[in-house]
Amino acid sequence: DAGVTQSPTHLIKTRGQQVTLRCSPKSGHDTVSWYQQALGQGPQFIFQYYEEEERQRGNFPDRFSGHQFPNYSSELNVNALLLGDSALYLCASSLGLAALTGELFFGEGSRLTVL
Amino acid sequence: AQKVTQAQTEISVVEKEDVTLDCVYETRDTTYYLFWYKQPPSGELVFLIRRNSFDEQNEISGRYSWNFQKSTSSFNFTITASQVVDSAVYFCALGGNYGQNFVFGPGTRLSVLP
Repeated sequence: DAGVTQSPTHLIKTRGQQVTLRCSPKSGHDTVSWYQQALGQGPQFIFQYYEEEERQRGNFPDRFSGHQFPNYSSELNVNALLLGDSALYLCASSLGLAALTGELFFGEGSRLTVL
Repeated sequence: AQKVTQAQTEISVVEKEDVTLDCVYETRDTTYYLFWYKQPPSGELVFLIRRNSFDEQNEISGRYSWNFQKSTSSFNFTITASQVVDSAVYFCALGGNYGQNFVFGPGTRLSVLP
């Protein structure tokens, strides 16, 4: 049973560039949430996707956008990268919209470095 | 606004010692959920426990136990007879009834020395 998989594992970008991160949820899960974890801090909720729509969003600018595909996989896009976007980006999957009250399964993350 | 405080940034113990990780939360919701997650060096967050606001019964799972006290807005986590494999960053988290405003605390880094 495959867990949550994320790609790429590591990447380096320069300021102003754009990045796309990918996530495949755990088998049987239909909801994907994205989190940003800066070094030494707890994860911060970016947004949640269910039925290919953004259902909830945290306090992140519009430069952060996402997409969910019919197979439940998801992408996180960040435009006009800033140095402060350097972080570990975690994807979590779960079942159903009330997912944040239940058990989230996390991937190992994509570590983004912006130079 | 929801907030989770984990006052202990780092804790070091020697193997077989007991250790308690503190978590204090703030919320205006009457129904909410509390969580603990473990983050080993690999980066993946591992779910440990979920507790809803109406269930103040303490829970024990093997060497792990949790003490939920609504009166003090605390949800503390104790590891009994710690092991080196327990070394990780532990996060306490809080979510609203429908998953809204899900927030993590800043984490406590636990080092268990042999």
